[in-house]
Amino acid sequence: DVKVTQSSRYLVKRTGEKVFLECVQDMDHENMFWYRQDPGLGLRLIYFSYDVKMKEKGDIPEGYSVSREKKERFSLILESASTNQTSMYLCASKNRGQNTEAFFGQGTRLTVV
Amino acid sequence: TQLLEQSPQFLSIQEGENLTVYCNSSSVFSSLQWYRQEPGEGPVLLVTVVTGGEVKKLKRLTFQFGDARKDSSLHITAAQPGDTGLYLCAGARGSARQLTFGSGTQLTVLP
Repeated sequence: DVKVTQSSRYLVKRTGEKVFLECVQDMDHENMFWYRQDPGLGLRLIYFSYDVKMKEKGDIPEGYSVSREKKERFSLILESASTNQTSMYLCASKNRGQNTEAFFGQGTRLTVV
Repeated sequence: TQLLEQSPQFLSIQEGENLTVYCNSSSVFSSLQWYRQEPGEGPVLLVTVVTGGEVKKLKRLTFQFGDARKDSSLHITAAQPGDTGLYLCAGARGSARQLTFGSGTQLTVLP
């Protein structure tokens, strides 16, 4: 069974903290994505990676960075967490190609206080 | 501004009714996908449409890709409570590496 695993389901952090969200996939997919999901806004793309050490900005990269040192792992980093980064974060992976299916993790609900 | 706009944002209907959800864009997409997300889970793929004008059926769900490949619709016949969920359209763009999602339609089917 294919799997995308996010390290935490729920996370509470203080303003100004550095936060790491980890995502691991076991399908040998080239592409990995980080989205945030807020009510009424759907999924907004933060960053994506199409190969090890390769990354591209999505639609809302400000305040975030990413790391992909190994093919199966894609990390999202909040350098200095702020309250407006309170959200649901979803990681996804997909194989190369326009029509391939994206597989999602269960999400991390991050609250910044 | 969302690249993919979905309507309606919320839909609450009685079991047995029919409904249509729309996904619109000013951009052309090489393909569009529809996902469904249930509470506490990530989205799961329902279908991919590739050719302009294409129609795909999945039991009581009918998906259509617009002729100009800028829009898509999802029609559900005789909705059931099990259809309740967040429906999201998604399109590949740029180098096809990016996957962009719409704003979502939250469907509630009441028994």
